[in-house]
Amino acid sequence: DAKTTQPPSMDCAEGRAANLPCNHSTISGNEYVYWYRQIHSQGPQYIIHGLKNNETNEMASLIITEDRKSSTLILPHATLRDTAVYYCIVRGGGFIKAAGNKLTFGGGTRVLVKP
Amino acid sequence: DGGITQSPKYLFRKEGQNVTLSCEQNLNHDAMYWYRQDPGQGLRLIYYSQIVNDFQKGDIAEGYSVSREKKESFPLTVTSAQKNPTAFYLCASSTGTADYGYTFGSGTRLTVV
Repeated sequence: DAKTTQPPSMDCAEGRAANLPCNHSTISGNEYVYWYRQIHSQGPQYIIHGLKNNETNEMASLIITEDRKSSTLILPHATLRDTAVYYCIVRGGGFIKAAGNKLTFGGGTRVLVKP
Repeated sequence: DGGITQSPKYLFRKEGQNVTLSCEQNLNHDAMYWYRQDPGQGLRLIYYSQIVNDFQKGDIAEGYSVSREKKESFPLTVTSAQKNPTAFYLCASSTGTADYGYTFGSGTRLTVV
């Protein structure tokens, strides 16, 4: 699986947009970009994923650069409940009975939303 | 509601004892995974299973064992051979295809004294 690089921490003001960057310069053509978040002492929660196109759901937007070497997760109006560790992960495509199908978590970005 | 259940939430064991952590899912997912998380760290993969009666070692399998006799269940045994078993253990499941995310359980915090 391609490696990802994220800043270790960032602060965000409540009500403002939070933009979380992720570099994945070694991503291959069939690898998806996934974002999860983990609130303290809970299991990680799926946020969004994409392959090439930008994606949006009720939680966030995912912007993937044209060369796919980096992406940005956007939380449009951050709330105090968005304080969490955010993980950017790339994962192989298809149902591969091998290493390519599992999620590998790095250190993530610790996001603190301040009032 | 469909989901993935881990039990118990907190577990205390004496050093040298084996302990089994439960993970059950009713999502009809083919694939299941066990991760370990130490304080302030990311998740590390212990074992994973993509179909019943088959499982593979992850990055830190030493001192752990699993079984996958039923699609719904993927128990993890932490053996006495695991040098530092105190950690937060997370179970997850997935359809197995890359265009579908993982669903995680709420975790079991194991403390060995």
